[in-house]
Amino acid sequence: DSGVTQTPKHLITATGQRVTLRCSPRSGDLSVYWYQQSLDQGLQFLIQYYNGEERAKGNILERFSAQQFPDLHSELNLSSLELGDSALYFCASSVGQAYYNEQFFGPGTRLTVL
Amino acid sequence: TQLLEQSPQFLSIQEGENLTVYCNSSSVFSSLQWYRQEPGEGPVLLVTVVTGGEVKKLKRLTFQFGDARKDSSLHITAAQPGDTGLYLCAGVRGGKLIFGQGTELSVKP
Repeated sequence: DSGVTQTPKHLITATGQRVTLRCSPRSGDLSVYWYQQSLDQGLQFLIQYYNGEERAKGNILERFSAQQFPDLHSELNLSSLELGDSALYFCASSVGQAYYNEQFFGPGTRLTVL
Repeated sequence: TQLLEQSPQFLSIQEGENLTVYCNSSSVFSSLQWYRQEPGEGPVLLVTVVTGGEVKKLKRLTFQFGDARKDSSLHITAAQPGDTGLYLCAGVRGGKLIFGQGTELSVKP
């Protein structure tokens, strides 16, 4: 158990819909990262927040957005869903904002878009 | 084109065999990390290699960073069924972790 929690574990929805994925980092960690894992693209970095502020952006689509709240939990919002958005979405957390801080991954949310 | 190419993509071996997984790039990385991911779980960090030529050992696992810091390898001695999983290498590019596609290892008893 990494100490990072993600909800829900599974999510099935239809194209065009909007969903919200939730992540609670390990106690004491200020950074939250979001990743997408699919069979064809592998594990891809989406976005990082540190203490409520956006720190780094990866291959995140404009239809996707995220935020980190004052209690440090984070949400990833995915809208106008397409079939290709079906994937595993992981949240990770680390104590600091630098890349060399070890990241601890949650168990993931499996999103299926029908 | 992947920045980090892992090979092989799939590996199925018998318990007790040795194996090596490779992670190659045309770019230099300041460090490379190796993760293991089991079904239904997130990746777990195994090791970080920082210095060119560095070798790190974790029980039966040996990690090596190439002299030019463009490649790395993971060698497992006497593989066990518990080693089954997806092995991912990752390097930092522009302050972000870039992952290879992974090597799916299956160790049969």
